[in-house]
Amino acid sequence: AQSVAQPEDQVNVAEGNPLTVKCTYSVSGNPYLFWYVQYPNRGLQFLLKYITGDNLVKGSYGFEAEFNKSQTSFHLKKPSALVSDSALYFCAVRDKGMIYNQGGKLIFGQGTELSVKP
Amino acid sequence: EAGVTQFPSHSVIEKGQTVTLRCDPISGHDNLYWYRRVMGKEIKFLLHFVKESKQDESGMPNNRFLAERTGGTYSTLKVQPAELEDSGVYFCASSQRERRETQYFGPGTRLLVL
Repeated sequence: AQSVAQPEDQVNVAEGNPLTVKCTYSVSGNPYLFWYVQYPNRGLQFLLKYITGDNLVKGSYGFEAEFNKSQTSFHLKKPSALVSDSALYFCAVRDKGMIYNQGGKLIFGQGTELSVKP
Repeated sequence: EAGVTQFPSHSVIEKGQTVTLRCDPISGHDNLYWYRRVMGKEIKFLLHFVKESKQDESGMPNNRFLAERTGGTYSTLKVQPAELEDSGVYFCASSQRERRETQYFGPGTRLLVL
């Protein structure tokens, strides 16, 4: 069965320091991987995705993620954290399904609360 | 371009009552998905429409949940009768047929069943 794990419920970082939010996955074949962010009282916003190609993916708000096939990981990173980055982050893998027109649903990790302090 | 919209933003109902959630996808998006997050746990898939057809409803928890997508445009998710465990945030997402990899989410409906 396909699954995603975010091993940390919470990550605390000082403003200006680099941040990493971890994600590992289990899926057959080549994964389609996504990161979403949820700010307080808001919906999920798409940050970035890995479909194919370069293992380092750049996304919105200065975030990037590195796809590592051997470690089955897709960690989210940012070189210098901002207080405004404080939010709930979700990693997801797309279920490709068995039939072309099926699949497409996302399988999410449990989320990681990022707190950036001044 | 308008994003995915959901109505209502919040709903508080009593156990046994009926609630209907609505989702308006991004115009032109054939794919529409419903998800929910219950009690701070992971976000779980409920079902997937391609236009007006249910493509995958494997995540629907039971027959108290009924989803429709009239004319392939907006979608409704009805819970009847609601139970306490139905409380949570219900998200809708849509994607283009050609670029189905990226799903764009609405703000969610927070449902509280008392």
